[in-house]
Amino acid sequence: DAKTTQPPSMDCAEGRAANLPCNHSTISGNEYVYWYRQIHSQGPQYIIHGLKNNETNEMASLIITEDRKSSTLILPHATLRDTAVYYCIVRAGGADGLTFGKGTHLIIQP
Amino acid sequence: GAVVSQHPSWVICKSGTSVKIECRSLDFQATTMFWYRQFPKQSLMLMATSNEGSKATYEQGVEKDKFLINHASLTLSTLTVTSAHPEDSSFYICSARKTRSTDTQYFGPGTRLTVL
Repeated sequence: DAKTTQPPSMDCAEGRAANLPCNHSTISGNEYVYWYRQIHSQGPQYIIHGLKNNETNEMASLIITEDRKSSTLILPHATLRDTAVYYCIVRAGGADGLTFGKGTHLIIQP
Repeated sequence: GAVVSQHPSWVICKSGTSVKIECRSLDFQATTMFWYRQFPKQSLMLMATSNEGSKATYEQGVEKDKFLINHASLTLSTLTVTSAHPEDSSFYICSARKTRSTDTQYFGPGTRLTVL
């Protein structure tokens, strides 16, 4: 799986959009970008994933650059409950387990 | 939905005893389940991959005789920590991958194990 780089922490004001960047410059053509988050003392929660096109669901939007070397997770209206560690994971399809990096600790400020 | 449960949510045991943790996919079938552990202030680390009806595959450094995994059905996998010691105290988390579907993994809420 390609390596990812994320800022260790970010702050965002409640009600504003939270934009979390991820660099994955060595991504291969068959690798997807996955985002999970982990709220303190809970199991990770799946957020969204994509291959080339931008994706949106009820939780977030995923913007992938044209060269696929970086992506941004957007939480459109952050709430206090969005405070968590966000993990960007790049991997090809298959039945392997996930490799978690250190992620970004997003803190939503009231 | 894609709900995964774990039981128990926390357990405290004495050193030398064995502890069993259950992982269930509640609303889907999971051919493959995974077990992770997380030490304080660290990321999740994959321990093993469990396929229904076959032996689990363990990551390097994980003792298969200490961490017994059974995946007897498409909705249940169990992890047994045998002869637990204080250094086995950790947060154990399972995930399940839907059968014949996307590669997305769905995680359980985790089990906090404390060995005294």
